Amino acid sequence: VQLQESGPGLVRPSQTLSLICTVSGDPISSGAHYWNWIRHLPGRGLEWLGHIYYSGTTFYNPAFRSRVTFSIDTSASHFSLSLESVTAADTAIYYCARGPTGPNFRLSFHDWGRGTLVTVSS
Amino acid sequence: YELTQPPSVSVSPGQTASIVCSGDELAGKFVSWYQQRPGQSPLLVLYEDNKRPSGIPDRFSGSASGNTATLTIRATQAMDEADYYCQAWDFSAVFGGGTKLTVL
Repeated sequence: VQLQESGPGLVRPSQTLSLICTVSGDPISSGAHYWNWIRHLPGRGLEWLGHIYYSGTTFYNPAFRSRVTFSIDTSASHFSLSLESVTAADTAIYYCARGPTGPNFRLSFHDWGRGTLVTVSS
Repeated sequence: YELTQPPSVSVSPGQTASIVCSGDELAGKFVSWYQQRPGQSPLLVLYEDNKRPSGIPDRFSGSASGNTATLTIRATQAMDEADYYCQAWDFSAVFGGGTKLTVL
């Protein structure tokens, strides 16, 4: 499987960050995986934003629930992230990742995209 | 919920490296470990405490007890030098702050 993030590398403060993750080599509609968004803040650690299932069911990290929306297009084999009202603190490398379905307490991320740097700046 | 890791660990080539991750009642939370080399994406090296994905050498092993989980790398090689992150679930997926493993 290959995952590839795409989207603008620069977003203005207060605007919406939008990214797409295109999946190849594995049917996104197989139902065997959760499709995740994770970010790596500069000089800091990793943050999980949440995941989406092929059916459109989502689970958001409570810390982002008010600002984040995921969507999925199984026919186009991609899923998307929208993060509203961004600030400089949202500057990060954004990754999409695949993990097996199952109880959330067993969640792990087995395959990752290469990541895309998004800078929030005016 | 917080996962705490030491910022750095050093090991000599061929020796065993241990990286500890601490969190409240961490045992039973099915800890995963990720390796991240500079400029690369994270790579899953262990999941559910001690399971290795396909392609990960058996030099990598894991355990969990009480409030800690441990990633052990036996016969450490120069290629193991990287940042390592633990991850578990507590109402959301949570990552530790990362440990820089230096092989020298």
